This record gives sequence, structure tokens and C-alpha cells, in this order.
Amino acid sequence: GAVVSQHPSWVICKSGTSVKIECRSLDFQATTMFWYRQFPKQSLMLMATSNEGSKATYEQGVEKDKFLINHASLTLSTLTVTSAHPEDSSFYICSANPRDFFSYEQYFGPGTRLTVT
Amino acid sequence: AQSVTQLGSHVSVSEGALVLLRCNYSSSVPPYLFWYVQYPNQGLQLLLKYTSAATLVKGINGFEAEFKKSETSFHLTKPSAHMSDAAEYFCAVSESGSFQKLVFGTGTRLLVSP
Repeated sequence: GAVVSQHPSWVICKSGTSVKIECRSLDFQATTMFWYRQFPKQSLMLMATSNEGSKATYEQGVEKDKFLINHASLTLSTLTVTSAHPEDSSFYICSANPRDFFSYEQYFGPGTRLTVT
Repeated sequence: AQSVTQLGSHVSVSEGALVLLRCNYSSSVPPYLFWYVQYPNQGLQLLLKYTSAATLVKGINGFEAEFKKSETSFHLTKPSAHMSDAAEYFCAVSESGSFQKLVFGTGTRLLVSP
């Protein structure tokens, strides 16, 4: 149980275009989903927290107009990288927290590798 | 604010040797602590977690960690390393009461030699 999927697993796009990444909780409802960014051989940096039906909360330094997050349902959150540039190339990982007061865990997706050319 | 320090970006052990990965945390409130493992080009898998119950926590794949409040540590151990344990390991902390937001350490790459 507690499986989180991401689609696509990898994507290559041209500079200036937009890319959408989906994060789905497959067998549980997620009140909260998180988006992380990971540069090569570095740790995960939290970008934003999204709650179903409300606006995402972005971490300091993350451009909310560039990284659009939509948490449309209890099982789906999307991250859209708008007007992508090569410096946006990274590994993006989402996680989900179950709709369960006693759950302290985040379940992580397999990640999406974005390459902007 | 919470923070996590993982000493050693790389740890090398021989197969069958003890694995010790160090994690120290800083938190102004009682913390929840986690160890995650990441294999290349994959997401994170939870190894174990401490949520204010038993201080010695057993996880998957033979790993365990001990919460030591006096030392603000949560070191990860495994008695006997396997080749399949080679991966990146991350320690993370969240605040009790705000348990959702995780702060990660910089990670430790475990290398296992035959």
C-alpha cells in the first residue's frame, strides 16, 4: 500500500516551453502533497506544500509564478514548470501524506528527471 | 527551526561489516525523525521512523536507529552490510505537531565493497 506515482519519469523540453508533472497517490487519499527538487548528488529541497482545494505554500526563494502547483483532488497534484530554462533542469520528487491523523509519514514518488535544452 | 547534519558524505564498508551512518538534529520541539534510502534515479523509501515511542527503532532490511536526546542524535546502523545496501541515505526531521514538513540532511552515500 501507500504508492505514489509520478508521470512522466523523464522529460526533455526546449527552453521557453512549459512542462507539467503529475503526482498521484494510487491507493490512499492525500490531504497534503509536497514537491521537492534535487540537484545531482545533493539533498532534497522542499519547493512547496499543496493542500487539496487550496493554494500551495511556497518555500522562500521559490518562484510561485514559475512553478505552478495545482492540487485538484485528494489523489492528484501537478507541478507545471513554466517558461523552462536550462537551470530548471533537475530531479523533481513529490510526496504525499495520507488523510490520517496518526500517519507521520510521507510517501515518495519515483521522481521526474527534467532536462531543458 | 529544525536542521539535520549528516557527518560524512561517503561511507565505505566491506560486505559483512557494520554499517554506521551518523545523523544529528536540531529542533526546538520534540522531533520526529526519519531515515530514507534512495537508489539511483529513484524516489525515497522509508527505512524507519521515530515518533516519540521506543527510542530504539527497527526498520526494514535489518536497519535500526537509536534516538538519543542527550546527544541529539539518531544514528543508523546495520550489523552486516550487503552489496544491495549501497545507496544514498537521508536523515530527516519534522516538528511534532507540524509533522508533515520534512527537513533533510545532505545525505550519505554508502559504498559496499566485496
